[in-house]
Amino acid sequence: NAGVMQNPRHLVRRRGQEARLRCSPMKGHSHVYWYRQLPEEGLKFMVYLQKENIIDESGMPKERFSAEFPKEGPSILRIQQVVRGDSAAYFCASSPRQGLIAFFGQGTRLTVV
Amino acid sequence: SQQGEEDPQALSIQEGENATMNCSYKTSINNLQWYRQNSGRGLVHLILIRSNEREKHSGRLRVTLDTSKKSSSLLITASRAADTASYFCATDEDSGNTPLVFGKGTRLSVIA
Repeated sequence: NAGVMQNPRHLVRRRGQEARLRCSPMKGHSHVYWYRQLPEEGLKFMVYLQKENIIDESGMPKERFSAEFPKEGPSILRIQQVVRGDSAAYFCASSPRQGLIAFFGQGTRLTVV
Repeated sequence: SQQGEEDPQALSIQEGENATMNCSYKTSINNLQWYRQNSGRGLVHLILIRSNEREKHSGRLRVTLDTSKKSSSLLITASRAADTASYFCATDEDSGNTPLVFGKGTRLSVIA
């Protein structure tokens, strides 16, 4: 059973471009969480999704950021018109249901130049 | 806003010593989890303690939970250089569909 897979591991984008981060949860897991981590800081919650539904997006900036978890395929975190401040590590975690252990992917490190 | 707050922010000890990290939180919880993160890597789950448990062990790890004080501690005994990492607590709030909320972590350095 493969773990949570995130790709790409590293992503470089110029200011104004779009960034797409993908997360494939563990098999059988229908709950996906996205977190952002700045250097030397903890993880900040962004969005919590179940299949085809956004459950909680209270941590996601209102503009430029969106997330989806379609019925088929990975969860996608999309950042439009990236700015330098978007540079961070973005982690995805999955669990079979809320309240259980969340398993994390290795993260995508986004660098905006 | 952050729920868990770890203390200390950084800790440096000699190999073989014990390391204790603390976590405080604000609301009622279903469970509390501790995670470890090596530099530049993802988080690895260490241990989960439920709100009705007071203490839990896993190998060299010992976790306590005091719900009256809304605090938890993680003890690593006989530390090794390989324990060098950041340690985070995460709480699962007792209020419906809420995600894990992480603190800022304790950066542990174990010196050989």
